[in-house]
Amino acid sequence: GENVEQHPSTLSVQEGDSAVIKCTYSDSASNYFPWYKQELGKRPQLIIDIRSNVGEKKDQRIAVTLNKTAKHFSLHITETQPEDSAVYFCAARAAGGGNKLTFGTGTQLKVEL
Amino acid sequence: DTAVSQTPKYLVTQMGNDKSIKCEQNLGHDTMYWYKQDSKKFLKIMFSYNNKELIINETVPNRFSPKSPDKAHLNLHINSLELGDSAVYFCASSQGQGGYTFGSGTRLTVV
Repeated sequence: GENVEQHPSTLSVQEGDSAVIKCTYSDSASNYFPWYKQELGKRPQLIIDIRSNVGEKKDQRIAVTLNKTAKHFSLHITETQPEDSAVYFCAARAAGGGNKLTFGTGTQLKVEL
Repeated sequence: DTAVSQTPKYLVTQMGNDKSIKCEQNLGHDTMYWYKQDSKKFLKIMFSYNNKELIINETVPNRFSPKSPDKAHLNLHINSLELGDSAVYFCASSQGQGGYTFGSGTRLTVV
């Protein structure tokens, strides 16, 4: 089955700096890669996603890049703000897997003033 | 209007008891899921139903039994609760090959 690795597990940045979180996946047939943000005590919420026919997608301060050859995808947050502090999860969906998402282990992002 | 709602939000119970968690979605999605989030925040799929039909059943003890009376509802019944069952259980739904919408979670504590 699909295996998703996520790094780093914790990330601390100064307000205004950029943050990058990286994930790798094992199943070359995976075709959908969402990112979720989970604030303390809250539900995971979809913030951006990318499909395998696209190499990059941007939405205001967040962007996701996908390298299918290397089976890597990354989340980039620019001009970080304190409200960006949360746990971020990447996920991958293998084709034919019944829309099952396999999640990475999460990255605790802390944006310091 | 809450899109995916779970009840109860908190559940504290003794070992050996049987408990149920309920989930309802009003998004018209065709697929619903149960995920378990452990103390290290790891999200692991347990079950998935598509239009009331079980399509994903991961390696979960058979003390856990899901039920989907219709495509808007997915319940989880747990028999003979153990300490290791303590976690946050999230319901989610999706339409087609889209992303998930999660419920607010049920924090289960077994004492």
